[in-house]
Amino acid sequence: QVQLVQSGAEVKKPGASVKVSCKASGYTFTDYYMHWVRQAPGQGLEWMGWINPRTGNTGYEQKFQGRVTVTRDTSINTAYMALSSLRSDDTAVYYCARDHDGGLDFYFECWGQGTLVAVSS
Amino acid sequence: QSALTQPASVSGSPGQSITISCTGTSSDVGNYNLVSWYQHHPGKAPKLIIYEVNKRPSGVSNRFSGSKSGNTASLTISGLQAEDEADYYCCSYAGSNALFGGGTKLTVL
Repeated sequence: QVQLVQSGAEVKKPGASVKVSCKASGYTFTDYYMHWVRQAPGQGLEWMGWINPRTGNTGYEQKFQGRVTVTRDTSINTAYMALSSLRSDDTAVYYCARDHDGGLDFYFECWGQGTLVAVSS
Repeated sequence: QSALTQPASVSGSPGQSITISCTGTSSDVGNYNLVSWYQHHPGKAPKLIIYEVNKRPSGVSNRFSGSKSGNTASLTISGLQAEDEADYYCCSYAGSNALFGGGTKLTVL
C-alpha cells in the first residue's frame, strides 16, 4: 500500500533552517507529483509547494518564495522540504502529500503522518 | 490571494444532512473545476473525500457529495454519523498554486 513516512519532530531557533524528509513506498515514486502542506497551531491548512520527482521541477506558493526549497532523491524515493530563516510563526505541522494521479492536479490523495517543527528561542 | 471562505462551524444530528460552503473568487473556485475537500481528524493526516468538484476517491462513502455554483463550492454530508465529526477543508487550484479554506468544524450532536 502507498505510504509516506516523514522524519521526526524538530525544534529550531529563530533564523535557523530545517529540512523535513518524506520517504515514499508502495508506488513508483517518479510517477506522481509531491506537495508540501503545513498547519500552524489552531490554524487551517496552507499549501507550500510541489515537486515533480521525475524531473526535479518545482513550484512554490509566492509567500514562501526564497525561503522554501523542495528537492528529491530518486535513489531512495524520498522528497525533502527545506525552510530557511525560520520565524516563530513557522511553527506548524508539515505534511508531504502525493498528488491524485500522474498529473499536477493539486489533489492530495495520500499524506504523510506530519512533522512538527517548533521555532522557539 | 486570500484563503477560501468557509463557515467556522456547522452541526447536525445523526441521520441528518449538512452542507458546508466554500466561497472563492473568479480566479480560483469560479474559474476551475479543480475543487477538492478534505476530512481532518485532529492528530491524524487529512483525507481526500472529494476531488474535481464532485468525484469521490475509491473507498469514500457516497454520503459525501460535492457541487459548485459560480464562485462557491459545497460539500454535503448525508446521513450524519458520529465518526463524521471532524474538520473539513476545501481547496481550489488558483492558476499556479492551491488555496485552502479556513476549515469548518463539524459537530455531530
